[in-house]
Amino acid sequence: DGGITQSPKYLFRKEGQNVTLSCEQNLNHDAMYWYRQDPGQGLRLIYYSQIVNDFQKGDIAEGYSVSREKKESFPLTVTSAQKNPTAFYLCASRPQAGTQDTQYFGPGTRLTVL
Amino acid sequence: SQQGEEDPQALSIQEGENATMNCSYKTSINNLQWYRQNSGRGLVHLILIRSNEREKHSGRLRVTLDTSKKSSSLLITASRAADTASYFCATDASGGYNKLIFGAGTRLAVHP
Repeated sequence: DGGITQSPKYLFRKEGQNVTLSCEQNLNHDAMYWYRQDPGQGLRLIYYSQIVNDFQKGDIAEGYSVSREKKESFPLTVTSAQKNPTAFYLCASRPQAGTQDTQYFGPGTRLTVL
Repeated sequence: SQQGEEDPQALSIQEGENATMNCSYKTSINNLQWYRQNSGRGLVHLILIRSNEREKHSGRLRVTLDTSKKSSSLLITASRAADTASYFCATDASGGYNKLIFGAGTRLAVHP
């Protein structure tokens, strides 16, 4: 899992609540990513950030929001507008966007809506 | 639709046997990467093969890339029970924002 931490490991949310998932990296990486994984499926990109104070929507951004105020932090908020938020959420980072580098993944947060 | 499609979806073998997983994709790529995921955990990067490379080795792993067929294969030789995991290919497409596009994965079970 490298130098990427995600918290909490498990998160339970009541319908209608917003929740924020934490992602921190100490790898001095420029680019950070949020993915969603549903059972038996691959990862789908929610949001990504190539540099501090900049981020772009991925393929499934509706109902999610992010911020990138610090290089090491890229929190994801799952809002009440996300209709089916129960999933496994993975954060990743990469040394520099625009290069052929690998992505390094955190251990993930499993979100369950009650 | 997702860029990468793995085949087979599931694979069950005995320890010591070789495991081969295939990945097909649709558009031009900069590179293709293979990742491994143990149940309920994050992804671990295994190997990256660039579009101008045809084969790459890392320990018991061998990856091939055929850009004319838009396909890649991952071979794990002399498999071990500890290799039991899901394996994903991800393509880093030409142009765009260097985001990875993942397939649905192959679930490998290696039995002692």
